[in-house]
Amino acid sequence: AQSVAQPEDQVNVAEGNPLTVKCTYSVSGNPYLFWYVQYPNRGLQFLLKYITGDNLVKGSYGFEAEFNKSQTSFHLKKPSALVSDSALYFCAVRKSRNTGFQKLVFGTGTRLLVSP
Amino acid sequence: DGGITQSPKYLFRKEGQNVTLSCEQNLNHDAMYWYRQDPGQGLRLIYYSQIVNDFQKGDIAEGYSVSREKKESFPLTVTSAQKNPTAFYLCASSTTSGRTYEQYFGPGTRLTVT
Repeated sequence: AQSVAQPEDQVNVAEGNPLTVKCTYSVSGNPYLFWYVQYPNRGLQFLLKYITGDNLVKGSYGFEAEFNKSQTSFHLKKPSALVSDSALYFCAVRKSRNTGFQKLVFGTGTRLLVSP
Repeated sequence: DGGITQSPKYLFRKEGQNVTLSCEQNLNHDAMYWYRQDPGQGLRLIYYSQIVNDFQKGDIAEGYSVSREKKESFPLTVTSAQKNPTAFYLCASSTTSGRTYEQYFGPGTRLTVT
């Protein structure tokens, strides 16, 4: 069964500093990986995905993520954090099968707090 | 949240009452999903539907029911059999073809049962 681990409940970073939100995954075969962001009392917004190809994926709002197959990781990064980036971030994984329903499995979320 | 609407945003019910949460999408997506979100537990899949008139149980379907009579609508009923119904409920949709695998989420409904 596939699973996702987000080892940090909260990440604190000062505005202007780089940020990293960690994600590791477990899935048989090749993974499809996703990052979502959630603001308070709102739904999840899609940030970026890795399906295949370049290991460095660029997404919305200046975020990027690096797929590392040997370390089974998909860490979310941003070169310069903004206070407005403060939110709850979810990593998700599904199996890369061409047919049939494949469940999206979410991590427990990491709260990012960017201080002014 | 664009393209998927959930209503109401906040819902209060007494224990023992059934309650139905609305989810509508105008994205022309075939697949729709219901998730439950609890603090510290991430999202858990309740039900999903890949096509009209068909739906499948997810990981925590007990105490919930759904219907999919129209492509754009996927209402969720929280029955009195659900032991701990207070939670934040999220509806999502996605295509089932091509390579656009990401799910798009509605704004959520916060249900409080007392």
